[in-house]
Amino acid sequence: EVQLVQSGPEVKKPGKSLKISCKASGYNFNKYWIGWVRQMPGKGLEWMGIIYPDDSDTKLSPSFQGRVTISVDRSISTAYLQWSSLQATDTAIYYCARHLREDSWDDAFHIWGQGTMVTVSS
Amino acid sequence: DIVMTQSPDSLAVSLGERATIKCKSSQSVLYSPNNKSYLAWYQQKPGQPPKLLIHWASTRESGVPDRFSGSGSGTDFTLTISSLQAEDVAVYYCQQYYSSPPKTFGQGTRVEI
Repeated sequence: EVQLVQSGPEVKKPGKSLKISCKASGYNFNKYWIGWVRQMPGKGLEWMGIIYPDDSDTKLSPSFQGRVTISVDRSISTAYLQWSSLQATDTAIYYCARHLREDSWDDAFHIWGQGTMVTVSS
Repeated sequence: DIVMTQSPDSLAVSLGERATIKCKSSQSVLYSPNNKSYLAWYQQKPGQPPKLLIHWASTRESGVPDRFSGSGSGTDFTLTISSLQAEDVAVYYCQQYYSSPPKTFGQGTRVEI
């Protein structure tokens, strides 16, 4: 079964760093673009960026450049989203999601993780 | 960035009736060499991640009931639920995946009974 399993909820103070994870299974991790989508409380979906695990080619939304880093560890089929300095406005659910087609960066998100709730509060 | 605008923001439909959601992109998402519109529709139920319903504007995902259909090309798209069921209550999003990042979503349309 193809699935993405995300790490658990996080509560952090402003200014702290954070790295959340998304573990893939059931398919060739290296060959599908995988990305991150933000959903702020009660709001819609925001496309953050994608990464191709095979060569770590990354495409970030300008809205998130400089604010987050997307990375992978191919040895454990896991993608990451990290912040070096959290802000209260980073409070949201973060979903990882895999593209529909192999080796296709212009694609829809087919497989989704369950979401990770990140709360940033002093 | 390509801006995706959905209408309406919400709608209430009786069980068994048709629900129609529109999505308009600020520029064409039709790629002429393959004649495909890079447009997807997702369904998100409360407390769940989104689910891909349709891609290439009109290709239904495996397992998605055939009461869901997508149409349109270029800049104007429609998601139709032909006979609304109770389990279809959700927020529906369109997304373009044509352009360089970001591959933007519409603001969402809430469907209620």
